[in-house]
This record gives sequence, C-alpha cells and structure tokens, in this order.
Amino acid sequence: EAGVAQSPRYKIIEKRQSVAFWCNPISGHATLYWYQQILGQGPKLLIQFQNNGVVDDSQLPKDRFSAERLKGVDSTLKIQPAKLEDSAVYLCASSLGVGQETQYFGPGTRLLVL
Amino acid sequence: GESVGLHLPTLSVQEGDNSIINCAYSNSASDYFIWYKQESGKGPQFIIDIRSNMDKRQGQRVTVLLNKTVKHLSLQIAATQPGDSAVYFCAENNPPGANSKLTFGKGITLSVRP
Repeated sequence: EAGVAQSPRYKIIEKRQSVAFWCNPISGHATLYWYQQILGQGPKLLIQFQNNGVVDDSQLPKDRFSAERLKGVDSTLKIQPAKLEDSAVYLCASSLGVGQETQYFGPGTRLLVL
Repeated sequence: GESVGLHLPTLSVQEGDNSIINCAYSNSASDYFIWYKQESGKGPQFIIDIRSNMDKRQGQRVTVLLNKTVKHLSLQIAATQPGDSAVYFCAENNPPGANSKLTFGKGITLSVRP
C-alpha cells in the first residue's frame, strides 16, 4: 500500500514570497492533517479535514496560511506571504477516520524562508 | 494548559541493551496514545499505540505501558539496535470524539552506541 505522498520535498524562498505544498493521502483515508514541525519540536496541528470539510483549523494562522481539499482526496497548503518564522517542515498525515485512529505521515516538505 | 512532555531530552544506550523512554501527559481525558519514531529527514513513523482502557501493549521488540493514575506513558525497546537511533515522540489524543486531535511532546533522541 502506498504511503502519504508530499511534494516538493524541499523549498527555499525569500520572505514575503508565496509557496504551496501538495499532499496525496493514503487511498481510502477520509481524514487529512497538516502539521508544522519546527526544528527540535514535535509536530503541531495546523488544520484537519474530514473528507473535504474542515474539522479543526484553530491553530492555522489564517492571515497568511490557507488550505483546501476540494475533492476530498488531495490537499494543498499555501503560505502567502511567507515570514522567516515559517521555516519548518510541513507534514501531511492521513487516517481512516477521526478519534482513536492511527495517523500515517508523509516525508514532509522542508521550507526555508530567507 | 494541557500538555504532553518528555522527561529527558536524550538517551544513550549500548547496542543490545533495553531502552526505556518515558513520557508524562497531563490531560486526563486523553483516550488514545501513540509512539512515533522519526529519523532524520523523514516523517514520523508509527511504532505502537494504546487505548486508555489498557495498561500494556506489546509489539515486535516494543512494549508500551500506560499508567493512568500518574499519567505516565513509557516505550520499552528490547535489544536496542543501531537502527533504533532516532527521535521518539509520544502523542495523546483528546478530547474523545469527532473533534479529537493529537498533541505531540517535544521528542527524545535515542542514540545507540555500537
């Protein structure tokens, strides 16, 4: 079974530029998550989708971050404009449902904002 | 606020010895706990999970123990191998139900000496 796919794997941009990340979850997984992982810390949830609806986006900086999952499968996360403090690894995860469900992570996209 | 924390930032063990990684959690409503392993440049990898109605669960070379009285979670790795070197995260799921989400601790680095 294929795992969670993410692209690009690495991205370097200058501050105030925009960037987008893409995620393809495990087939059949209804729930998709985007996490931000700053170096030396655990992942922090940014947004959670159940099919194409948002379940939780309470920790998403909505003035600059946006995410969508239009057809309930793939998802994109966008940052516009980027700040230096956005430098982190952006992880996508998916699970069959919500609650006591194992989340499976992709390899992440490493973003460096200069 | 509620938080998940780890007692030690690093752990160094001799190859072949058993490793014990500890984690404290503070949310008594958490109903599900997961241990993840993260190698450099990769996303977190599921190791083992345990539900709050259990106090012990065993996998291949790994055992998770849950002590709800003192809100403590531990991961035991038997016969530690060089490939076990990584950062380990515990995560708790709360609140129970459709709006639950995982909260990760900061991570502990396991270093295996040959």
